[in-house]
Amino acid sequence: AQKITQTQPGMFVQEKEAVTLDCTYDTSDPSYGLFWYKQPSSGEMIFLIYQGSYDQQNATEGRYSLNFQKARKSANLVISASQLGDSAMYFCAMREGNGNQFYFGTGTSLTVIP
Amino acid sequence: ETGVTQSPTHLIKTRGQQVTLRCSSQSGHNTVSWYQQALGQGPQFIFQYYREEENGRGNFPPRFSGLQFPNYSSELNVNALELDDSALYLCASSWDRENSYEQYFGPGTRLTVT
Repeated sequence: AQKITQTQPGMFVQEKEAVTLDCTYDTSDPSYGLFWYKQPSSGEMIFLIYQGSYDQQNATEGRYSLNFQKARKSANLVISASQLGDSAMYFCAMREGNGNQFYFGTGTSLTVIP
Repeated sequence: ETGVTQSPTHLIKTRGQQVTLRCSSQSGHNTVSWYQQALGQGPQFIFQYYREEENGRGNFPPRFSGLQFPNYSSELNVNALELDDSALYLCASSWDRENSYEQYFGPGTRLTVT
């Protein structure tokens, strides 16, 4: 089974609107971390936001927030007030326990329309 | 504080050849992870080095090997190159094995095998 599933290959959003990128995960480890990364066409992976499995509150970082629904095993990324520079690939990832391996999804390509 | 750097940026090799990719960690980081990202896919974990020792490996054959040096820079070596090895190779550094969730990625090396 896939550890991380991203079902939206591509998304479009109007500039200044909010957009939600979906991510579901699969693990039996009670301790895990969830991450979102942005990958522009240059290739570099840029860390956006982190959510620990024991965190009670949803993580927020500026315009990014993570909608963490533990029972549904989902960790959706919400980008508010989209900007043209947000156009990129977005990857959801998970690390289990103290493991050193990150599992990545297949990514969602986001295009922000002026 | 310098970020993670990788060299070369691009590389073209012939099937059966050997290749060495290099990564310089962000200052102060003692952990390096290597990922392979095929076109249209998310990164796949190859292995991690912590204080010069391999500290976990993904589902990659032994012809993928690595080194970490005392200054925490790292190399990824791939022997007997195959066409499917064509990918973007990313390294990521962090400062502590236990707290390595916040990885900082380099820009990647794009390897093409013909």
